[in-house]
Amino acid sequence: DQQVKQNSPSLSVQEGRISILNCDYTNSMFDYFLWYKKYPAEGPTFLISISSIKDKNEDGRFTVFLNKSAKHLSLHIVPSQPGDSAVYFCAAKRNSGNTPLVFGKGTRLSVIA
Amino acid sequence: GAVVSQHPSWVICKSGTSVKIECRSLDFQATTMFWYRQFPKQSLMLMATSNEGSKATYEQGVEKDKFLINHASLTLSTLTVTSAHPEDSSFYICSASYMGWGNEQFFGPGTRLTVL
Repeated sequence: DQQVKQNSPSLSVQEGRISILNCDYTNSMFDYFLWYKKYPAEGPTFLISISSIKDKNEDGRFTVFLNKSAKHLSLHIVPSQPGDSAVYFCAAKRNSGNTPLVFGKGTRLSVIA
Repeated sequence: GAVVSQHPSWVICKSGTSVKIECRSLDFQATTMFWYRQFPKQSLMLMATSNEGSKATYEQGVEKDKFLINHASLTLSTLTVTSAHPEDSSFYICSASYMGWGNEQFFGPGTRLTVL
């Protein structure tokens, strides 16, 4: 049972436009959410996170929105750059110490120049 | 800061041999390390959680006798794939965290294992 779902396996966006990556979760015990960026044959790198007590967190070009009632979060990248092309993983966990992350299957973002 | 390394980055072995993968936290002490596996076009699947000085906790369906995990120090955890078979071919990634940092986990670059 996939507890974290990224239903779009791929997304193409023109350079300079907004990229919106979506993520849904089913486990109501999750209260901390993270986005990771991953290049082939490399480990994921942390991008941005959000706690369930917030509905928005912003860091430069990256903004994460959380809708707890819908169990949905999204990552907005604006403006998109060619270097943003990678696979983006949504992850969730319980906010209690060193609990493991549960990952979605990822969305491959291609930013076209 | 918060750099995690893995060694080797790529390994090819014959079926039936054992392979050891090292995960090191280079600039911090990792109270907990996690081992993940990723098959092509799939998500990262958690295999086990390892706390320093204690036995690893394995996820359901992961054979603890096949995937031996040792976390003997605060900077090193090892995953040994025993009697590897072609179906064990995968991308293995570790992550490390420090209790005082809450939810931060830092990932290694991964190890590509190919079993012939």
